[in-house]
Amino acid sequence: AQSVTQLDSQVPVFEEAPVELRCNYSSSVSVYLFWYVQYPNQGLQLLLKYLSGSTLVESINGFEAEFNKSQTSFHLRKPSVHISDTAEYFCAESGSNTGNQFYFGTGTSLTVIP
Amino acid sequence: GAGVSQSPRYKVAKRGQDVALRCDPISGHVSLFWYQQALGQGPEFLTYFQNEAQLDKSGLPSDRFFAERPEGSVSTLKIQRTQQEDSAVYLCADAQDRDGEQYFGPGTRLTVT
Repeated sequence: AQSVTQLDSQVPVFEEAPVELRCNYSSSVSVYLFWYVQYPNQGLQLLLKYLSGSTLVESINGFEAEFNKSQTSFHLRKPSVHISDTAEYFCAESGSNTGNQFYFGTGTSLTVIP
Repeated sequence: GAGVSQSPRYKVAKRGQDVALRCDPISGHVSLFWYQQALGQGPEFLTYFQNEAQLDKSGLPSDRFFAERPEGSVSTLKIQRTQQEDSAVYLCADAQDRDGEQYFGPGTRLTVT
């Protein structure tokens, strides 16, 4: 069965410091990977996605994630965080054999400290 | 509309009541999903439609849960005889088949008292 593991439930970090949110997936077949962000009292918004091609994907607000097949990881990074990045971040996977069903991790709460 | 909408945004039900949650997807999006998100957890898959056909309902937790999408657009998730463990945020998402990205609605927060 497919599963997604987010190892850190809470990550506090000071403003302008770098951050890494970890995500590991389990699928052994072709997989699509996503990071979603959920701001307080808002719905899930797509942050970035890996479908194929370049293993390094970037978002418009400075986040990036790298697909690492050998380590089955898709960690999310940002070199310098802002207060407005405070949110819940969810890693998700889907695959060619799942009928577009998404499997989500349990989420990582990122808190940026001024 | 600009995105997926859901109504109501908040619902309080007494245990044993039936509830109906509505999802209005983006026009033309073929695939529609329902998820349940318990407090402090990630969303968990409930069911999937392609147009009006319910292709996967393996995530529905019991036969008290029922979903429909009769005309291939608006979808309704119905929960009969609600229980306290049904309290959660219910998310609707839709997708174009080609790239797999799912667009989420704001969710309905259901509280069963």
